[in-house]
Amino acid sequence: RKEVEQDPGPFNVPEGATVAFNCTYSNSASQSFFWYRQDCRKEPKLLMSVYSSGNEDGRFTAQLNRASQYISLLIRDSKLSDSATYLCAGQTGANNLFFGTGTRLTVIP
Amino acid sequence: ETGVTQSPTHLIKTRGQQVTLRCSSQSGHNTVSWYQQALGQGPQFIFQYYREEENGRGNFPPRFSGLQFPNYSSELNVNALELDDSALYLCASSLVYGYTFGSGTRLTVV
Repeated sequence: RKEVEQDPGPFNVPEGATVAFNCTYSNSASQSFFWYRQDCRKEPKLLMSVYSSGNEDGRFTAQLNRASQYISLLIRDSKLSDSATYLCAGQTGANNLFFGTGTRLTVIP
Repeated sequence: ETGVTQSPTHLIKTRGQQVTLRCSSQSGHNTVSWYQQALGQGPQFIFQYYREEENGRGNFPPRFSGLQFPNYSSELNVNALELDDSALYLCASSLVYGYTFGSGTRLTVV
């Protein structure tokens, strides 16, 4: 079983829509979680860290549910520029990140 | 503050050959991790170096090896290249938490 499971999509949504992605993780010892954004043929870039209390950054909201071992990312009022692949990642201690396969989002005009 | 830089950006090698990829970590970052990202997949952890010592390894065979230097830069070496080694190789550096990725080296094995 993979450390992090993620629906690969693709998600095709109209501009202005709200879209949500979920990831589940298998290692209950994982302490930190992140969402990364990756544009085509580019490196992943950190979008948000994820905390149990939830955190919000503008149109983006991330949430961690430790009881059910999943993390989520909500994007409100989607923009064309949000089109990218969104990767969730877990981290145990200060060690390496475990990534999901990524979810491809396309925002349509 | 300089970010993570990787070289080369693109590389084509023949099956059976050896390759060395290089990474300069972000200033002050003493931990370097290497990831392999195949097309359509998420990055897969290869190994991590902390202060010149290997500090964790993923499920990759011994023909994947690495080094970290006193200035915290790093190399990834792959011997006996196979067609399935074709991928984007990403280097990420960190100090405690949070990783900064380089733009990667795209390796094609033919």
